[in-house]
This record gives sequence, C-alpha cells and structure tokens, in this order.
Amino acid sequence: DTGVSQDPRHKITKRGQNVTFRCDPISEHNRLYWYRQTLGQGPEFLTYFQNEAQLEKSRLLSDRFSAERPKGSFSTLEIQRTEQGDSAMYLCASSSLSSTDTQYFGPGTRLTVL
Amino acid sequence: AQTVTQSQPEMSVQEAETVTLSCTYDTSENNYYLFWYKQPPSRQMILVIRQEAYKQQNATENRFSVNFQKAAKSFSLKISDSQLGDTAMYFCATDQTGANNLFFGTGTRLTVIP
Repeated sequence: DTGVSQDPRHKITKRGQNVTFRCDPISEHNRLYWYRQTLGQGPEFLTYFQNEAQLEKSRLLSDRFSAERPKGSFSTLEIQRTEQGDSAMYLCASSSLSSTDTQYFGPGTRLTVL
Repeated sequence: AQTVTQSQPEMSVQEAETVTLSCTYDTSENNYYLFWYKQPPSRQMILVIRQEAYKQQNATENRFSVNFQKAAKSFSLKISDSQLGDTAMYFCATDQTGANNLFFGTGTRLTVIP
C-alpha cells in the first residue's frame, strides 16, 4: 500500500514529557500537512511543507511544537513538555504539486496526555 | 475568515435509501474548492467528492453527488442507495485557491440502518 502512513498509531504519555510522531507521505508527493483533530471537531490545520521547506504555520502551533521534513520525504512532529490539552488525534496529509487541492490523509496518531 | 457550518450533528438513513447532508460556508474568495471527506470509525479520512467553485456543474462520483449553490454558499452531499459501509463521520471542507490548508466543519455522524 502506498498511502500516507503514520507512526505510532497511539501514544500515551505523562504531562511534561516530549513526544515525536512520524509521517510518511505518498511517494513523490511534494506537499505534506499536519492537522490536529480533537473529539467532536473537524481537523484544524497546524503546518505544511513543500519539499523540505516549512512554508506556513498556524497560530495553533505553539512554541512547544516543532515540525521538520529534513529531506523532503518523511516528516516529524515533536511536542515538548506535553500538556493535557495536547490530547488529540494528529493527522498527516500529502498532496502533489500537480493537484495541490486534493489532500490524502493518513490514519493519524492518537495522543493521550495523562 | 473562512467558516464552514454543518448543522446536522447526527443523521441516520435506512439501507438503500437516499440521504442529504448539508453544509454552508463563508468565504470572501471567488476561487476555491469544496470537499466532502468521510471518516469511518477508527479509520482514516477519505476524500468522497470535490467541487471547483468556478464550475457550475455539480460534481458526481457514483452514488455520491453534490448540490452546489454558489450564491447561497451551500454545498450539500447526497448519498443514494445508502450502504452499511457509508456509516461514518462526514466532514465538509473548503480550500481557497492558492491557500495551503483545508478548513473543516464539525462533521455529521451518519448511521446507515440495516
């Protein structure tokens, strides 16, 4: 299967710990997006990359959040000093330059902060 | 600012019947895209159908069709011959041309009853 993959699928951590999630986009998709989805809500945009460049960040992306896409392929999203309010599903999506309007989503990483 | 409103938190439909999910949005842009995404329980978000705002013809994908009313900023999804596998959360989303993120509504939970 060559869809978007995310790892881990579930993460439980204690408040104050750091966590890192990984996203592997569809092969040759230049754009990669991160969204956060809390219970009962639609996904909210966090940030996006075109190749290795991070071109946009939402106000939701506080200083404790950092995202990278070092070689323009996979991406990581790190949350430092986690808080209970960070508990959510973190979704990754990718799109190609020829069809940037259509984003394909991964299964998400569900984070629970105790 | 963009807003997307889905006024039906939950809906149900008998198998093989037709159901319509409503969505209204607000944008100051002339060019944009509209989407319906489906998120089955514990599974990833899947694109159901997309509509380009400059096209007057309503998009159709097999059993799924939209009623796009640009002046009213309305974008409803019709599912014909409902199947059990259609049970899911359905999210309406918009993407301004040239923007780099999707803006989602809060979703409608659809249950298909056997």
